[in-house]
This record gives sequence, structure tokens and C-alpha cells, in this order.
Amino acid sequence: AQSVTQLDSHVSVSEGTPVLLRCNYSSSYSPSLFWYVQHPNKGLQLLLKYTSAATLVKGINGFEAEFKKSETSFHLTKPSAHMSDAAEYFCVAPWRTGRRALTFGSGTRLQVQP
Amino acid sequence: DVKVTQSSRYLVKRTGEKVFLECVQDMDHENMFWYRQDPGLGLRLIYFSYDVKMKEKGDIPEGYSVSREKKERFSLILESASTNQTSMYLCASSSKQPGGYTFGSGTRLTVV
Repeated sequence: AQSVTQLDSHVSVSEGTPVLLRCNYSSSYSPSLFWYVQHPNKGLQLLLKYTSAATLVKGINGFEAEFKKSETSFHLTKPSAHMSDAAEYFCVAPWRTGRRALTFGSGTRLQVQP
Repeated sequence: DVKVTQSSRYLVKRTGEKVFLECVQDMDHENMFWYRQDPGLGLRLIYFSYDVKMKEKGDIPEGYSVSREKKERFSLILESASTNQTSMYLCASSSKQPGGYTFGSGTRLTVV
């Protein structure tokens, strides 16, 4: 089974500073990868997805992620944090080859300080 | 607006009860999924279905079963609820293309 590891359970940044949320994946091939966001008391929303078309993927709300095969990483970044970015972020990969389910990382809670 | 609807937002059940969690989607999606979400553990896959009357076990199927009699409805069944099944349960659906899950708003189940 594939897996994703989110390296930080909690990240705190100041408003206006860059955001980096780290994710490593384990796979013998280049998988599809996703980031989902969950705002407090809200449902999960797709932020962006990588499907091998381009290594730098742009998502909603100014977020982007870069797929680095050599490092097996798919880190999420944003140049300037906004208070509304405070949420939990999940790195996601296909669960198993040939299966349509997804496997989720343990999540990173992003806190944005004024 | 496309939707995945979970029948209950909050549910409190007693240990040993049989519990049904219902999920309905209106997008004609083939695939439907049940996850539970616990702090620090992310979402863990319980069961999923890629067609009517078809089901497949996920990572933590023990203590659960599912039913998919119609394409739009996917039910999660706790055969005999236990306190360690207290959790947030999330239903999702997707088309045949990878990714693009649509999630329901979740059911917070407390087993006492």
C-alpha cells in the first residue's frame, strides 16, 4: 500500500509570511498526489492535485505544490499567509494500485498569527 | 449544487446498539467511500464501493459493514457499537477519474 507522511503535525506562521507544509510519499512510481484542506467545522475541500502533467501545481487561494521525485516529496507552499488560511491540511495519495480509494496523511494544523 | 448528504450531523448511541449511518450523493458517481477521522490520525478508510452491490474493505473494516443497494446511497453499519468507534465519520463520492472526491459534512458519533 502507498502511504504519505506529513512531517509536521502543527505549523504556526505570522500573517504575511510564507507557508511550508511538508509531505513525503512512498511509492515505486510517480503517483497522483493531492492536498485537501479542512477549515474548522467545515467539510474537506480539494486544494490541488498532481497528475504528472507538470511538477509545479497551482491550486486555489494562492497555494501551490511541487512534486520532486528525487526527494519523494510534495510540499505545499504559499508566499504570504492570510488569517483565513488557518485550517487543517491533508496530503493524499492513491490507496493502492488499481484502486480508486485515497489514503490520507495524518494532517498538519496551520495556525496563522496576526 | 452537487452534494453528498449524510443523514445525521450528531449521533449518540449506546454500547451494543446496531447503528446505521446513511450517505446519499446526487452526482451519479460510481465510487463511494466511508472514512473515520480521529485527531492525529487523519482519515482512515473503512470501506468503499465502486458499483451497486459491490464493496471492498479498506484499512480498518473490523466492526463495520456496508450496504449499497442503489447507486446514490451508501450505508455504513456498526454491527454492535463500541466506545472505540466514537469518531467523526465522513462519506465521500467520486467519478471514475482519480481524485476529485466530494465529501459530506460528516457525522459525529458518540458511543456511550
